[in-house]
Amino acid sequence: AQSVTQPDIHITVSEGASLELRCNYSYGATPYLFWYVQSPGQGLQLLLKYFSGDTLVQGIKGFEAEFKRSQSSFNLRKPSVHWSDAAEYFCAVGSNTGNQFYFGTGTSLTVIP
Amino acid sequence: DTAVSQTPKYLVTQMGNDKSIKCEQNLGHDTMYWYKQDSKKFLKIMFSYNNKELIINETVPNRFSPKSPDKAHLNLHINSLELGDSAVYFCASSQSPAGYNADTQYFGPGTRLTVL
Repeated sequence: AQSVTQPDIHITVSEGASLELRCNYSYGATPYLFWYVQSPGQGLQLLLKYFSGDTLVQGIKGFEAEFKRSQSSFNLRKPSVHWSDAAEYFCAVGSNTGNQFYFGTGTSLTVIP
Repeated sequence: DTAVSQTPKYLVTQMGNDKSIKCEQNLGHDTMYWYKQDSKKFLKIMFSYNNKELIINETVPNRFSPKSPDKAHLNLHINSLELGDSAVYFCASSQSPAGYNADTQYFGPGTRLTVL
């Protein structure tokens, strides 16, 4: 069975600092991996996704993520965080058969001035 | 133009009532979903339809019944509402089933359901 783990429930960083949000997955084959962001009171928006090819994926708003098969990880990074990045971040995994899709439990990001 | 819209945005009701939440997408997508987000922000898929056919049906009480009259609409009907049904319900759509081609899901703004 597939699963997604986000070990960090809450992270606080200073504005301008670098950020890394962790995501680990469990899936038998090559997964499709996603990062979504949810701003307060909003629906989710896709930041980036991985399905094949280059393991370093670039997304919107200056985010990137790296797929590491050996570590079953898909960590999200940003070199310099802005106050507007404060939000809830969700990692997700989908099966290539299309009939399964799971979100992680989310990481809440607080940005302090 | 709103890509994925849901009505109502807020829904407050008594235990035991029956209610519906409507979802419409104008993206021309074939696949639509319902998710439940609880108070701890945990997001769980409930149902998914592809071309009006049910393809994902997670362990959800049978009080919840999705209905897809056409590809652009996926409504959620809930019978005999319980306190534990209080949550935010999100509708989403994608061109093809989640994960199948790594298609992006587009989410609606959510419906906050409060059961008293």
